[in-house]
Amino acid sequence: KAGVTQTPRYLIKTRGQQVTLSCSPISGHRSVSWYQQTPGQGLQFLFEYFSETQRNKGNFPGRFSGRQFSNSRSEMNVSTLELGDSALYLCASSLVQGRNEQYFGPGTRLTVT
Amino acid sequence: AQSVAQPEDQVNVAEGNPLTVKCTYSVSGNPYLFWYVQYPNRGLQFLLKYITGDNLVKGSYGFEAEFNKSQTSFHLKKPSALVSDSALYFCAVRDYNNAGNMLTFGGGTRLMVKP
Repeated sequence: KAGVTQTPRYLIKTRGQQVTLSCSPISGHRSVSWYQQTPGQGLQFLFEYFSETQRNKGNFPGRFSGRQFSNSRSEMNVSTLELGDSALYLCASSLVQGRNEQYFGPGTRLTVT
Repeated sequence: AQSVAQPEDQVNVAEGNPLTVKCTYSVSGNPYLFWYVQYPNRGLQFLLKYITGDNLVKGSYGFEAEFNKSQTSFHLKKPSALVSDSALYFCAVRDYNNAGNMLTFGGGTRLMVKP
């Protein structure tokens, strides 16, 4: 089975711009979660989608948003980029909620200049 | 609220020696506990999980972890370390009562295995 894929792998944007990141989960996985990883704050939960519905949301400003499509693929969008948004954005997928572990993609490295 | 603490930023061990990476957690209900490993410029790789049952959980690459409810700990262990085990290790928790899959991670522990 193919793993979680994320595109693009690397991205450089300028302050004020917006960006869209994409995630394709493992086939059959219906839950997709997004995390932000930075040296200062570590790994922080952004949001989770299941069956095209946002199920949980972390403590991030409204500039961060996401969605999930009927094929379980997910996108996250960050508008009005700030320097502090520079991070590794990780997508993870799992079977339905509960005791299942999440499988992570390689991440998208976003640099905001 | 749920939280995870990994008290050691770095653990150094000689190849062939046993290793332990510490993790303590806090949840309001029963915990689901996970260990992940991250190699440079890579995503997180699942190692093992505790859901219920035996307190000693065995995972990938010879790793195991011991769940201790009274001490709220879930330490990662391996009997004989390899140089290739050098990486960043994360402990994570999810509250059983949490309806979703949101994980709360510890700050990570860098494991350095020296030949």
